[in-house]
Amino acid sequence: DTGVSQNPRHKITKRGQNVTFRCDPISEHNRLYWYRQTLGQGPEFLTYFQNEAQLEKSRLLSDRFSAERPKGSFSTLEIQRTEQGDSAMYLCASSLDRANTDTQYFGPGTRLTVL
Amino acid sequence: GDSVTQMEGPVTLSEEAFLTINCTYTATGYPSLFWYVQYPGEGLQLLLKATKADDKGSNKGFEATYRKETTSFHLEKGSVQVSDSAVYFCALSAGGTSYGKLTFGQGTILTVHP
Repeated sequence: DTGVSQNPRHKITKRGQNVTFRCDPISEHNRLYWYRQTLGQGPEFLTYFQNEAQLEKSRLLSDRFSAERPKGSFSTLEIQRTEQGDSAMYLCASSLDRANTDTQYFGPGTRLTVL
Repeated sequence: GDSVTQMEGPVTLSEEAFLTINCTYTATGYPSLFWYVQYPGEGLQLLLKATKADDKGSNKGFEATYRKETTSFHLEKGSVQVSDSAVYFCALSAGGTSYGKLTFGQGTILTVHP
């Protein structure tokens, strides 16, 4: 396994700009999750994909956020018109849908700083 | 809704001391319970898990027992090392038709001194 990878690792942007993050899950994993982690807090769920279908979005995911997973492989998370409150670490995780072993493997995260 | 509460940190211990980090949860149904660890500069890693009541998860000398009667999943280690210094997160995945979405506690920072 090469593990879950995320790019970029760091992103600094000005308020009002759009940003896009990419997540490459472990190759055979069909489930993919996005979480957001702010300083001193645990990760919070944002959205989930089963293959290419986005099955749930948290109320934390405002209309400025959109996520895709074309072809059920990599995923992108876009934030439009960024705000300073969007500054956080964005984590991606993947897992394999198999009975009793739905362990999520996390990527290193993308740290977003909105100036 | 589902929630996880961890003991407030940070926790500072000397090497070879006994460690306990408390975790309690609120959930409907029968969740699976997890401890994740985040070492400095690294991503979250699964440390151990338990999927049903009275199960004990263990890994790298750490243990936690799923206690349904007290809705707890406390993390313990008999003798900590400097290399155990990290942030520890308790988490749950709701049971039933859940697809595995994790709900995390706020994390506990552990620092172990030589």
